[in-house]
Amino acid sequence: GEDVEQSLFLSVREGDSSVINCTYTDSSSTYLYWYKQEPGAGLQLLTYIFSNMDMKQDQRLTVLLNKKDKHLSLRIADTQTGDSAIYFCAEFTGGGNKLTFGTGTQLKVEL
Amino acid sequence: DAMVIQNPRYQVTQFGKPVTLSCSQTLNHNVMYWYQQKSSQAPKLLFHYYDKDFNNEADTPDNFQSRRPNTSFCFLDIRSPGLGDAAMYLCATSREGISYEQYFGPGTRLTVT
Repeated sequence: GEDVEQSLFLSVREGDSSVINCTYTDSSSTYLYWYKQEPGAGLQLLTYIFSNMDMKQDQRLTVLLNKKDKHLSLRIADTQTGDSAIYFCAEFTGGGNKLTFGTGTQLKVEL
Repeated sequence: DAMVIQNPRYQVTQFGKPVTLSCSQTLNHNVMYWYQQKSSQAPKLLFHYYDKDFNNEADTPDNFQSRRPNTSFCFLDIRSPGLGDAAMYLCATSREGISYEQYFGPGTRLTVT
Protein backbone atom coordinates (compact mmCIF):
# COMPACT_ATOMS: atom_id res chain seq x y z
CA GLY A 1 0.00 0.00 0.00
CA GLU A 2 1.00 3.63 -0.30
CA ASP A 3 0.91 5.62 2.93
CA VAL A 4 3.08 8.62 3.58
CA GLU A 5 3.03 9.99 7.10
CA GLN A 6 4.38 13.12 8.71
CA SER A 7 4.11 14.71 12.12
CA LEU A 8 1.52 17.50 12.14
CA PHE A 9 3.39 20.34 13.78
CA LEU A 10 6.90 21.60 14.37
CA SER A 11 7.87 24.77 16.18
CA VAL A 12 11.40 26.19 16.12
CA ARG A 13 13.12 29.43 17.02
CA GLU A 14 14.49 31.68 14.33
CA GLY A 15 18.09 30.78 13.55
CA ASP A 16 17.78 27.19 14.73
CA SER A 17 17.70 24.18 12.42
CA SER A 18 14.41 22.49 11.58
CA VAL A 19 14.08 18.80 10.81
CA ILE A 20 10.86 17.59 9.21
CA ASN A 21 10.38 13.85 9.00
CA CYS A 22 8.43 11.61 6.66
CA THR A 23 7.87 7.87 6.55
CA TYR A 24 6.59 5.93 3.60
CA THR A 25 5.65 2.33 3.03
CA ASP A 26 6.17 1.73 -0.70
CA SER A 27 9.67 0.37 -1.13
CA SER A 28 9.49 0.82 -4.90
CA SER A 29 9.54 4.61 -4.63
CA THR A 30 11.95 6.01 -7.18
CA TYR A 31 11.81 9.73 -6.42
CA LEU A 32 10.90 11.53 -3.22
CA TYR A 33 10.08 15.21 -3.04
CA TRP A 34 9.63 18.04 -0.59
CA TYR A 35 7.07 20.75 -1.28
CA LYS A 36 6.36 23.96 0.63
CA GLN A 37 2.90 25.52 0.82
CA GLU A 38 2.36 29.00 2.20
CA PRO A 39 -1.16 30.09 3.25
CA GLY A 40 -3.52 30.46 0.31
CA ALA A 41 -0.88 29.45 -2.23
CA GLY A 42 0.00 26.49 -4.39
CA LEU A 43 2.73 23.98 -3.65
CA GLN A 44 6.30 25.02 -4.33
CA LEU A 45 8.80 22.29 -5.16
CA LEU A 46 11.79 22.67 -2.85
CA THR A 47 13.93 19.70 -3.72
CA TYR A 48 13.82 16.02 -4.60
CA ILE A 49 16.04 12.99 -4.19
CA PHE A 50 16.44 9.90 -6.30
CA SER A 51 16.12 6.62 -4.47
CA ASN A 52 19.71 5.57 -5.08
CA MET A 53 20.97 8.57 -3.10
CA ASP A 54 21.37 8.89 0.65
CA MET A 55 21.72 12.64 0.88
CA LYS A 56 21.22 15.76 -1.16
CA GLN A 57 22.17 19.28 -0.14
CA ASP A 58 20.86 22.46 -1.70
CA GLN A 59 21.86 25.68 0.05
CA ARG A 60 20.06 25.67 3.43
CA LEU A 61 18.22 22.43 2.66
CA THR A 62 19.53 18.94 3.34
CA VAL A 63 17.54 15.86 2.41
CA LEU A 64 18.38 12.51 4.01
CA LEU A 65 16.97 9.24 2.75
CA ASN A 66 17.10 5.98 4.67
CA LYS A 67 15.69 3.38 2.32
CA LYS A 68 16.02 0.56 4.80
CA ASP A 69 13.74 2.33 7.27
CA LYS A 70 11.70 4.09 4.53
CA HIS A 71 12.44 7.39 6.20
CA LEU A 72 12.94 10.76 4.55
CA SER A 73 13.87 13.99 6.29
CA LEU A 74 14.28 17.63 5.37
CA ARG A 75 16.66 19.77 7.38
CA ILE A 76 16.41 23.53 7.07
CA ALA A 77 19.46 25.31 8.41
CA ASP A 78 19.21 28.79 9.97
CA THR A 79 15.41 28.73 9.87
CA GLN A 80 13.80 32.09 9.12
CA THR A 81 10.28 33.42 9.67
CA GLY A 82 9.75 33.14 5.91
CA ASP A 83 10.14 29.39 6.25
CA SER A 84 6.86 29.20 8.19
CA ALA A 85 4.58 27.07 6.00
CA ILE A 86 3.22 23.57 5.55
CA TYR A 87 5.75 21.09 4.20
CA PHE A 88 4.62 18.03 2.25
CA CYS A 89 6.75 15.08 1.33
CA ALA A 90 5.68 13.06 -1.69
CA GLU A 91 6.74 9.87 -3.39
CA PHE A 92 6.71 8.72 -6.99
CA THR A 93 6.59 4.99 -7.55
CA GLY A 94 6.68 4.92 -11.32
CA GLY A 95 3.10 3.91 -11.89
CA GLY A 96 0.48 6.17 -13.39
CA ASN A 97 2.47 9.42 -13.36
CA LYS A 98 1.13 10.13 -9.87
CA LEU A 99 2.56 11.35 -6.62
CA THR A 100 1.44 10.23 -3.18
CA PHE A 101 1.56 13.12 -0.75
CA GLY A 102 2.20 12.98 2.95
CA THR A 103 -0.14 14.48 5.49
CA GLY A 104 1.87 17.70 5.77
CA THR A 105 3.84 19.27 8.62
CA GLN A 106 3.05 22.80 9.76
CA LEU A 107 6.32 24.56 10.57
CA LYS A 108 6.08 27.58 12.83
CA VAL A 109 9.12 29.77 13.27
CA GLU A 110 9.14 31.89 16.40
CA LEU A 111 11.26 34.95 17.09
CA ASP B 1 9.38 32.75 -16.76
CA ALA B 2 7.79 29.41 -17.55
CA MET B 3 4.93 28.79 -15.22
CA VAL B 4 1.53 27.35 -14.36
CA ILE B 5 -1.29 29.89 -14.30
CA GLN B 6 -4.72 29.45 -12.78
CA ASN B 7 -7.71 31.68 -13.28
CA PRO B 8 -9.52 32.96 -11.43
CA ARG B 9 -7.68 32.92 -8.10
CA TYR B 10 -10.99 33.17 -6.25
CA GLN B 11 -14.32 31.92 -7.51
CA VAL B 12 -17.71 32.15 -5.84
CA THR B 13 -20.55 30.09 -7.21
CA GLN B 14 -24.04 29.19 -6.09
CA PHE B 15 -25.12 25.77 -5.00
CA GLY B 16 -25.91 23.75 -8.13
CA LYS B 17 -24.61 26.36 -10.60
CA PRO B 18 -21.99 24.98 -13.01
CA VAL B 19 -18.53 26.46 -12.72
CA THR B 20 -15.35 26.14 -14.75
CA LEU B 21 -11.82 26.65 -13.48
CA SER B 22 -8.96 27.10 -15.90
CA CYS B 23 -5.28 26.28 -15.95
CA SER B 24 -2.63 27.12 -18.49
CA GLN B 25 1.08 26.32 -18.64
CA THR B 26 4.08 27.61 -20.53
CA LEU B 27 6.31 24.70 -19.52
CA ASN B 28 5.26 22.52 -22.47
CA HIS B 29 4.76 19.60 -20.09
CA ASN B 30 2.80 16.65 -21.39
CA VAL B 31 1.05 15.74 -18.14
CA MET B 32 -1.48 17.97 -16.38
CA TYR B 33 -3.21 17.29 -13.06
CA TRP B 34 -6.14 18.61 -11.07
CA TYR B 35 -6.12 18.33 -7.30
CA GLN B 36 -8.68 19.25 -4.66
CA GLN B 37 -7.28 20.47 -1.36
CA LYS B 38 -9.39 21.06 1.72
CA SER B 39 -8.17 22.93 4.74
CA SER B 40 -5.11 21.42 6.46
CA GLN B 41 -5.16 18.35 4.24
CA ALA B 42 -2.90 16.96 1.56
CA PRO B 43 -3.91 17.58 -2.06
CA LYS B 44 -6.24 14.91 -3.38
CA LEU B 45 -5.79 13.94 -7.02
CA LEU B 46 -9.01 14.17 -9.03
CA PHE B 47 -7.69 13.25 -12.48
CA HIS B 48 -4.84 13.83 -14.86
CA TYR B 49 -4.13 14.02 -18.56
CA TYR B 50 -1.19 12.18 -20.02
CA ASP B 51 -1.00 14.01 -23.33
CA LYS B 52 -4.61 13.67 -24.54
CA ASP B 53 -5.35 10.57 -22.49
CA PHE B 54 -7.69 11.26 -19.60
CA ASN B 55 -7.11 9.34 -16.34
CA ASN B 56 -9.81 9.56 -13.72
CA GLU B 57 -9.23 8.59 -10.10
CA ALA B 58 -11.61 5.89 -8.93
CA ASP B 59 -13.09 7.99 -6.15
CA THR B 60 -13.55 11.23 -8.12
CA PRO B 61 -17.27 12.09 -8.19
CA ASP B 62 -19.02 12.23 -11.57
CA ASN B 63 -19.80 15.84 -10.79
CA PHE B 64 -16.21 16.68 -11.73
CA GLN B 65 -15.19 16.70 -15.37
CA SER B 66 -12.14 17.93 -17.24
CA ARG B 67 -11.16 19.06 -20.70
CA ARG B 68 -7.76 19.54 -22.29
CA PRO B 69 -8.18 21.18 -25.68
CA ASN B 70 -4.43 21.50 -26.28
CA THR B 71 -1.08 21.03 -24.53
CA SER B 72 -1.22 24.39 -22.78
CA PHE B 73 -4.73 24.48 -21.35
CA CYS B 74 -6.77 22.31 -19.04
CA PHE B 75 -10.19 23.00 -17.52
CA LEU B 76 -12.00 21.66 -14.49
CA ASP B 77 -15.79 21.66 -14.78
CA ILE B 78 -17.97 21.16 -11.71
CA ARG B 79 -21.42 20.43 -13.04
CA SER B 80 -23.48 20.95 -9.90
CA PRO B 81 -21.35 22.28 -7.05
CA GLY B 82 -22.36 21.30 -3.56
CA LEU B 83 -21.30 22.88 -0.30
CA GLY B 84 -18.80 20.04 0.14
CA ASP B 85 -17.01 21.06 -3.05
CA ALA B 86 -15.75 24.28 -1.51
CA ALA B 87 -11.99 23.90 -1.52
CA MET B 88 -8.75 25.01 -3.10
CA TYR B 89 -8.30 23.53 -6.57
CA LEU B 90 -4.73 23.09 -7.69
CA CYS B 91 -3.46 22.48 -11.19
CA ALA B 92 -0.05 20.91 -11.72
CA THR B 93 2.10 19.80 -14.63
CA SER B 94 4.95 17.38 -15.10
CA ARG B 95 7.14 16.05 -17.86
CA GLU B 96 7.32 12.33 -18.13
CA GLY B 97 10.70 10.69 -18.23
CA ILE B 98 12.79 13.16 -16.26
CA SER B 99 12.42 13.29 -12.49
CA TYR B 100 8.63 13.42 -12.57
CA GLU B 101 8.39 16.41 -10.27
CA GLN B 102 5.15 18.32 -10.50
CA TYR B 103 4.92 22.08 -10.79
CA PHE B 104 1.87 23.68 -9.25
CA GLY B 105 -0.15 26.74 -10.05
CA PRO B 106 -1.23 29.16 -7.30
CA GLY B 107 -4.64 27.52 -7.00
CA THR B 108 -8.26 28.67 -7.26
CA ARG B 109 -10.18 29.05 -4.01
CA LEU B 110 -13.78 27.98 -4.69
CA THR B 111 -16.58 29.14 -2.42
CA VAL B 112 -20.08 27.67 -2.79
CA THR B 113 -22.95 29.73 -1.40
